[in-house]
Amino acid sequence: AQKITQTQPGMFVQEKEAVTLDCTYDTSDPSYGLFWYKQPSSGEMIFLIYQGSYDQQNATEGRYSLNFQKARKSANLVISASQLGDSAMYFCAMREGRGNQFYFGTGTSLTVIP
Amino acid sequence: DSGVTQTPKHLITATGQRVTLRCSPRSGDLSVYWYQQSLDQGLQFLIQYYNGEERAKGNILERFSAQQFPDLHSELNLSSLELGDSALYFCASSRETGGRTEAFFGQGTRLTVV
Repeated sequence: AQKITQTQPGMFVQEKEAVTLDCTYDTSDPSYGLFWYKQPSSGEMIFLIYQGSYDQQNATEGRYSLNFQKARKSANLVISASQLGDSAMYFCAMREGRGNQFYFGTGTSLTVIP
Repeated sequence: DSGVTQTPKHLITATGQRVTLRCSPRSGDLSVYWYQQSLDQGLQFLIQYYNGEERAKGNILERFSAQQFPDLHSELNLSSLELGDSALYFCASSRETGGRTEAFFGQGTRLTVV
């Protein structure tokens, strides 16, 4: 089974609107971390936000927030007030508590429309 | 700037050749990860080192090898190169292993095999 599933290959959002990028995960480890990365067309991978499996509150970092629904095993990224510079690929990733590697989803391509 | 340095940024080489990709992790980070990103395969985990020792191995071909040196920098060696090895190779580093630590990525080395 896939560890990370991102079902939206491409998304469009109007500038200044909010957008939600979906991510579901699969693990039996009670301790894990969930991460979102942004990859603009220039290629670098930029860390955006982190959510721990034991965290009681949803993570927020500026305009990014993570909608963490543990029972559903989902960790959706919400970007508020979208900007043209948000156009990029977005990857969801997970690392298990006793694991080493980061498992990545296939990514969602976000395009912000002026 | 993530603090992770990868050199070179671009590399063009012929089939059958051997190349070495270099990675300097963030100051204080003991873990180094190598990932391969190609258009049809997404982000594939290759290998992880922690404080000089191999910690985890992913989908790394036998033609590929890596090591982490005492100063914690790492090198990924790719030999007998094939056209299909053309990809973006990322190095990432993190402070420790385990689920609760984010990884920071370098800008990647874009390898083109002709």
